[in-house]
Amino acid sequence: AQSVTQLGSHVSVSEGALVLLRCNYSSSVPPYLFWYVQYPNQGLQLLLKYTTGATLVKGINGFEAEFKKSETSFHLTKPSAHMSDAAEYFCAVSESGANSKLTFGKGITLSVRP
Amino acid sequence: DGGITQSPKYLFRKEGQNVTLSCEQNLNHDAMYWYRQDPGQGLRLIYYSQIVNDFQKGDIAEGYSVSREKKESFPLTVTSAQKNPTAFYLCASSIKASGIYSYEQYFGPGTRLTVT
Repeated sequence: AQSVTQLGSHVSVSEGALVLLRCNYSSSVPPYLFWYVQYPNQGLQLLLKYTTGATLVKGINGFEAEFKKSETSFHLTKPSAHMSDAAEYFCAVSESGANSKLTFGKGITLSVRP
Repeated sequence: DGGITQSPKYLFRKEGQNVTLSCEQNLNHDAMYWYRQDPGQGLRLIYYSQIVNDFQKGDIAEGYSVSREKKESFPLTVTSAQKNPTAFYLCASSIKASGIYSYEQYFGPGTRLTVT
């Protein structure tokens, strides 16, 4: 069975600082990995995804993530945080042939200090 | 403009009443999903449907029911058997749900259900 671990529930950074949100996964087959962002009382929006190929993937709003198979990780980064990045971030995993079913982590709330 | 609509945005019900949440998509997606979101617990899959007139239970299906009579629509009924129905409910869809490729899901804006 697949699973996702997002350590910690809250990360706080200063505006302009590096954003690093950690995600580790467990999967018995090559995974497909996703990061979603959720603003208060809204649905989820896809930030980026890894399926196959290049392990460094770039997404919207300046975010990127690197798939590291040896570490079973897919950490999300952004070089310089902006106030508008404050939101909840979810990492999700899906297995090939799994009917596109996603397993989500518990989410991390990102706060950005002025 | 293509997308997923959920209505209403906020819903209030008395305990013991069944309530149906609407989900409509005009993306021509085959697969649709219902999730429940509670603070600190992420999203948990209630039901999903890969094709019209077919659906499968997710991880927390007890107390819920769905139908998929049309490709565009996947309503969720929260029954009185659901012990803790108060939550944020999210509907999603993906292009398809079969084969070796896993497609990303697109989400609606959600319905916040409060049962008192």
